[in-house]
Amino acid sequence: DVKVTQSSRYLVKRTGEKVFLECVQDMDHENMFWYRQDPGLGLRLIYFSYDVKMKEKGDIPEGYSVSREKKERFSLILESASTNQTSMYLCASSYDRGIGEQYFGPGTRLTVT
Amino acid sequence: AQSVTQPDIHITVSEGASLELRCNYSYGATPYLFWYVQSPGQGLQLLLKYFSGDTLVQGIKGFEAEFKRSQSSFNLRKPSVHWSDAAEYFCAVGDGLTSYDKVIFGPGTSLSVIP
Repeated sequence: DVKVTQSSRYLVKRTGEKVFLECVQDMDHENMFWYRQDPGLGLRLIYFSYDVKMKEKGDIPEGYSVSREKKERFSLILESASTNQTSMYLCASSYDRGIGEQYFGPGTRLTVT
Repeated sequence: AQSVTQPDIHITVSEGASLELRCNYSYGATPYLFWYVQSPGQGLQLLLKYFSGDTLVQGIKGFEAEFKRSQSSFNLRKPSVHWSDAAEYFCAVGDGLTSYDKVIFGPGTSLSVIP
C-alpha cells in the first residue's frame, strides 16, 4: 500500500514563527502536492512538484514556500505564520501527473495564535 | 474557469437507506472525474474515478457513480448506507487544460448516518 506520512497531526505556533510541515511518501511517486482544507472551501492547491528540486505554484501560494531536495520528501514552509493560515494541511502524492489518482496523508491541523 | 459544485453541504440518512450525493462540474473538454472520501481524522481516500468508457463506474465500499455529460454531473450512489459511511465526500475534476495538470476539488458534502 502507498503510504504518505506527515510529521505532525497537530501543531500550535505563534504569529510570526517559521513553520515547517514535512511530508514523506514511500512509493517512489514523481508528483507531490500540498493542499489546504477549510470548511466549505474544499481543498485548495498551495504548491506542487513533479520532480526533485522542481516546484510550481498552485492556486494559493502566497505566504508559503516549499522544498523538495529528495524524491520522497516534500516540505511546506510558512515563513512567518499568520492567524489566517490556521487550517488543515494535506499532503498528497501521485504516480501520474496531476490529473491522476492522488494518495493523501492524514493531515496536519495547524493553529496559529 | 473549471469548477466543481456539490449542492448539498450536509446530508443525513438512516442506516440501510439509499444514498445519492450530487456533483456538477464546469469543464471545457472530456473530464477526468473522481470521488474521494475523508473519514474523521483521516486523509482522503479514492472511492472511484472516471476517465473514459462506461459511464457507470464501480468503486470501493459498494459505491458507484454515473457520468452524465448532458447534465455535467457525476453523482455518487450507494444502495444501502452503513454507519461507517459517515464521512466527508469530495467530488473532483482533473484539469488537463491548464499549463500544468491539477485536480480541482469541490467543497465537500458531509454525510451523517442515523442508526
